[in-house]
Parts: sequence; C-alpha cells; structure tokens
Amino acid sequence: GENVEQHPSTLSVQEGDSAVIKCTYSDSASNYFPWYKQELGKGPQLIIDIRSNVGEKKDQRIAVTLNKTAKHFSLHITETQPEDSAVYFCASQGGPNNAGNMLTFGGGTRLMVKP
Amino acid sequence: GAGVSQSPRYKVAKRGQDVALRCDPISGHVSLFWYQQALGQGPEFLTYFQNEAQLDKSGLPSDRFFAERPEGSVSTLKIQRTQQEDSAVYLCASIAGTRQETQYFGPGTRLLVL
Repeated sequence: GENVEQHPSTLSVQEGDSAVIKCTYSDSASNYFPWYKQELGKGPQLIIDIRSNVGEKKDQRIAVTLNKTAKHFSLHITETQPEDSAVYFCASQGGPNNAGNMLTFGGGTRLMVKP
Repeated sequence: GAGVSQSPRYKVAKRGQDVALRCDPISGHVSLFWYQQALGQGPEFLTYFQNEAQLDKSGLPSDRFFAERPEGSVSTLKIQRTQQEDSAVYLCASIAGTRQETQYFGPGTRLLVL
C-alpha cells in the first residue's frame, strides 16, 4: 500500500520567516495530495491541495509544489504568523483503482511560530 | 448542518467495555470515512462507506471493530471489549461525491480506555 513520509517532525521559525514541510510518497498511481492543518482538540482542516496534473499551486501565503517523477511534494508558508502554529499533515490519495478514495497521511509536522 | 459532527467528544471506558461513536456527515454527502489517530501521529484509515454500502473495511484493526451506516447518512463506529491500545482520537470525514474531493473532517471523539 501507499506510504507517506513527512519531514521535519517539528519546525520552529520566527514570525515573518518562511516554513517548508516536505513529503514523499511511494505509490506512483497517487494523484491527489491535500495538506491539512490540525489545531489542538480539533479535526484536520484542509488548507490547500494539488492534483497530479499540476506542478504548483498557490493561495495567498501558502503554496504547494509537486514533483511526480521524484514522488515528493512540499508545503511552503511565507510570512509566518503566530496563528500558523499547529500540526500540519500531508496526505496522498490513489488513482482510479483506489476504490476507497482513502487518504494516507504523513506523520505530521508541529510548526511553532515564535513572535 | 454546517459541518461534520461527532459525538461524544470524549469517552472514557473501562477495559472490556463496549463503546459506540457517532458521526453525522455533512447533509447529502455520499461518502463517509472513519480514521484512527493515535497520539502524535497522523490519521490512519479504518473504513469507507458509499451511501449505506461499506466498500472498504481493510483498515479495521480487529474483529472487535464494527461500523455501520444503515440509512446512508449517520454512521456509528462500535468497538467491542475495548483494550488500552484502542485509546485514540476517532475521526470521521465525508465528501459530497465518490471521487477525489476534499474530505471534510469532524472534530473527532477522543477515546481513553483505562
């Protein structure tokens, strides 16, 4: 089955700096890659996603890049703010043969933005 | 409703006790997923429903875990004879259709088995 590795597990940055989180996946048939933010005591919330026919997507301070050849994708947050502090998860979802449409998650990155 | 809701939010069970966790998906959403999230880890897939049909239960860790969605809306995850290793947050997610779309997650039920 699919395996998703996520790095780093913790990341501490100064407010205003950029943060980058990287993920690799194993199943070349995977073609949908969402990123979720999870705050304490809450469920994961989608912040951005990318499909395999696109190499990069941006939404204000957040961007995601995808390299299908290398099977890795990254989350970039610019001009970080204290409210960006949370745990971030990458995930992948398989192609048409994945009847369940389930997501396979990485292990998470705890981002701390210091004021 | 505005989003996916789950109840109870917290559950403490004694080892060996049966528990039932409820998920109310977004109204009209066809597909529903259950995930288990251990402390400090990412969610792991348990099972998937399309309407009332359970199409994938490959992630259920043992036969003590059972899920149902009899009318294609509300779903219940039941754990029989709970064990300490069942302690985790149980997340429910739904999508409007059946293909790749945003999965909307509920707040989860935190289960602690003593």
